[in-house]
Amino acid sequence: AQTVTQSQPEMSVQEAETVTLSCTYDTSESDYYLFWYKQPPSRQMILVIRQEAYKQQNATENRFSVNFQKAAKSFSLKISDSQLGDAAMYFCASSPGGATNKLIFGTGTLLAVQP
Amino acid sequence: EAQVTQNPRYLITVTGKKLTVTCSQNMNHEYMSWYRQDPGLGLRQIYYSMNVEVTDKGDVPEGYKVSRKEKRNFPLILESPSPNQTSLYFCASRGYGGSYNEQFFGPGTRLTVL
Repeated sequence: AQTVTQSQPEMSVQEAETVTLSCTYDTSESDYYLFWYKQPPSRQMILVIRQEAYKQQNATENRFSVNFQKAAKSFSLKISDSQLGDAAMYFCASSPGGATNKLIFGTGTLLAVQP
Repeated sequence: EAQVTQNPRYLITVTGKKLTVTCSQNMNHEYMSWYRQDPGLGLRQIYYSMNVEVTDKGDVPEGYKVSRKEKRNFPLILESPSPNQTSLYFCASRGYGGSYNEQFFGPGTRLTVL
């Protein structure tokens, strides 16, 4: 069974600084996908970034990037130049490849951004 | 606009009173899911559907029912709600063969069972 672990329940960062959120996962699948979702106070689930396991290159979306370490089963999210609007709950998630609707979430990291 | 809609967004009810939370998507997606979100537990999958008339249990199915009679709709039914089903519920959908297995989420339904 797949599991996703986020060991940091809360994090804080100063505006304009960089912060890294940790995520580890466990899976027996050879083909899978990894995601970071953002949940602001509105509660909407917003996809931040995604990574295919077979791609070695780390995904990047503007100020958001990941450090994907496949052997270590680690998938951390780096937010550069943090903004007040980045304050939210962040969830790491994993999905097997192929015809499946499984999506396994971590317990989340609440990020506060200090002005 | 491509979207997943849920109704109602907020619901307060009493123990044992049957209720249905509707979910609809306009993207012609085959796959749909229901999740519940609880503090400290993240989101957990309740039920999912791979297509019309094809549903299966997720990780926490007890106390819930679903049906998939039309491709666009996937209602969640609580036949006898209990206080431990007080939670935030999300519906999600994705297309078969879609890139990255990405799921699109509805806005959430806050349910309180007294």
